Amino acid sequence: ILNVEQSPQSLHVQEGDSTNFTCSFPSSNFYALHWYRWETAKSPEALFVMTLNGDEKKKGRISATLNTKEGYSYLYIKGSQPEDSATYLCAFEADRGSTLGRLYFGRGTQLTVWP
Amino acid sequence: SQTIHQWPATLVQPVGSPLSLECTVEGTSNPNLYWYRQAAGRGLQLLFYSVGIGQISSEVPQNLSASRPQDRQFILSSKKLLLSDSGFYLCAWRWGGFTDTQYFGPGTRLTVL
Repeated sequence: ILNVEQSPQSLHVQEGDSTNFTCSFPSSNFYALHWYRWETAKSPEALFVMTLNGDEKKKGRISATLNTKEGYSYLYIKGSQPEDSATYLCAFEADRGSTLGRLYFGRGTQLTVWP
Repeated sequence: SQTIHQWPATLVQPVGSPLSLECTVEGTSNPNLYWYRQAAGRGLQLLFYSVGIGQISSEVPQNLSASRPQDRQFILSSKKLLLSDSGFYLCAWRWGGFTDTQYFGPGTRLTVL
């Protein structure tokens, strides 16, 4: 069983605060790391797909970094807004040849931003 | 553009009743298709995936089954639901290409009583 861990499990911040969370994954057989944003009553929305060690991706106030050698990725949100409230999921993709592109999801970090 | 549909949006079923959830994708051909479930307090668990018509891979043993009768149609079924089948079911698709992302449908909330 492949283990993907996310921390913290939940986070409450004030509007304007910057925040970050962690995704840990196996450092072997790495193919890609995916980040999703999942709002209540909606379907998960893709944020980033990262494949190379040292990758940094940015989308508005949200950015992510990747360290495949040590098996972790950070997601940062700068100046959090109430509309950022959601569960943030990361998913590990192992060597495509053996797994046919399946994703292994963490349990997510639930972010609540108070106005 | 591609669109993924799931229905029904919510479902309440008694224990022992059958189940059929349907997922269809528009605007693409030969997608990889996936069924996930999120049970209360747990992460997203992959149930089934398919790389083509009639090709189904099961991830965990359970009383659910999946079928892909057409290229862009994926069906999740059960003959007899258990209480533990309650959860949020998501269908997803992706291209088979390089570093492509996986796109999710709107989901079905299933409650088994």
